[in-house]
Amino acid sequence: SAVISQKPSRDICQRGTSLTIQCQVDSQVTMMFWYRQQPGQSLTLIATANQGSEATYESGFVIDKFPISRPNLTFSTLTVSNMSPEDSSIYLCSVADREGVNTEAFFGQGTRLTVV
Amino acid sequence: DAKTTQPPSMDCAEGRAANLPCNHSTISGNEYVYWYRQIHSQGPQYIIHGLKNNETNEMASLIITEDRKSSTLILPHATLRDTAVYYCIVRVAQKYGGATNKLIFGTGTLLAVQP
Repeated sequence: SAVISQKPSRDICQRGTSLTIQCQVDSQVTMMFWYRQQPGQSLTLIATANQGSEATYESGFVIDKFPISRPNLTFSTLTVSNMSPEDSSIYLCSVADREGVNTEAFFGQGTRLTVV
Repeated sequence: DAKTTQPPSMDCAEGRAANLPCNHSTISGNEYVYWYRQIHSQGPQYIIHGLKNNETNEMASLIITEDRKSSTLILPHATLRDTAVYYCIVRVAQKYGGATNKLIFGTGTLLAVQP
């Protein structure tokens, strides 16, 4: 299984500012994903981070608000831009390998963001 | 990806088997059934997955009906540490191209294991 480290684990930010969350994996993986979990809710997929190209965003999420980078096969960042209190959530990084039919996804412990 | 339906909550006595149902009546032939759980304040944890045959591992058993329209996750001897939200997800898992292996989460079942 892959070991995923997310930084920071939590943060309290002022509205209007931006926060960049880092996701580091201990092995090369083909797929990396970013999720949001609002208080008391299930996980919602934000985007698929693609190495060397622009991320693929799900409906309702845009690059200007959630820019994503993925410079290599072990690292990705998610930025939450121009934050408002509605962005207070847990943000989770997930990884999977495309190769192989039976693939499972692994998750980091998440970044708990509070916007004040 | 097909949608799933799960009861919002269930209780189970410690030491007894926990049987968590999931309906996925619109599942396609190439979609697998995956189960994850999320213990409070942690990231989701993979449990088990299957296509059409029953599966068992060290954590749980997965029973899929013959028509594949529903499944049941079985925790044979539930402990207090099994208290979590359990998610049933169906998705395509293709080797090359096409599907991205992304997971779309529903609302899940909150399993409360009682002492």
